[in-house]
Amino acid sequence: EPEVTQTPSHQVTQMGQEVILRCVPISNHLYFYWYRQILGQKVEFLVSFYNNEISEKSEIFDDQFSVERPDGSNFTLKIRSTKLEDSAMYFCASRTTGISYNSPLHFGNGTRLTVT
Amino acid sequence: AQSVTQLGSHVSVSEGALVLLRCNYSSSVPPYLFWYVQYPNQGLQLLLKYTTGATLVKGINGFEAEFKKSETSFHLTKPSAHMSDAAEYFCAVWDTDKLIFGTGTRLQVFP
Repeated sequence: EPEVTQTPSHQVTQMGQEVILRCVPISNHLYFYWYRQILGQKVEFLVSFYNNEISEKSEIFDDQFSVERPDGSNFTLKIRSTKLEDSAMYFCASRTTGISYNSPLHFGNGTRLTVT
Repeated sequence: AQSVTQLGSHVSVSEGALVLLRCNYSSSVPPYLFWYVQYPNQGLQLLLKYTTGATLVKGINGFEAEFKKSETSFHLTKPSAHMSDAAEYFCAVWDTDKLIFGTGTRLQVFP
């Protein structure tokens, strides 16, 4: 079964550094998402992306964050200047087209980001 | 905005016992509801979903959930727990074009 793959599985970075989290969505999917989960807390929506544009973003997704689909397969989340509170598990997800609630999100295994 | 509330951050059951994980939704329109499971060091996997039609929804691994409008609930059940069911379970509601998750319930299964 096709999978969403995320790399790396664990990233350690120093505060203030830029970090790029990478995702390869399922190949025929057209809607892409980033979520994060701070340790012990709920899974939070960050951003959705369709047709090379941000469809929706949450309050968490401020100017420090950006997303890009640089080629036909990768979907990236960039954090420009990391803060300690950015430490979390970041999940990429994708879905196909059609009625939105009937095409469920497929999630990757996540990237654990640790900011020191 | 739509939301879901999961009562009980931890649930412990014995192997073979009934599993009941609670989820209540807050919505003024018919909600589209989901249950996801997260095994250790893995991503979120869809267990089941309710969109329209039958209110009793069957999912993978023997789980099922019943949509009860009168109680604004979508509780997840499994008649007989297995050790392999130990995981974190998330209830979620579809809102515009994204999923909104509850806080999760960690299920422990004892032999």
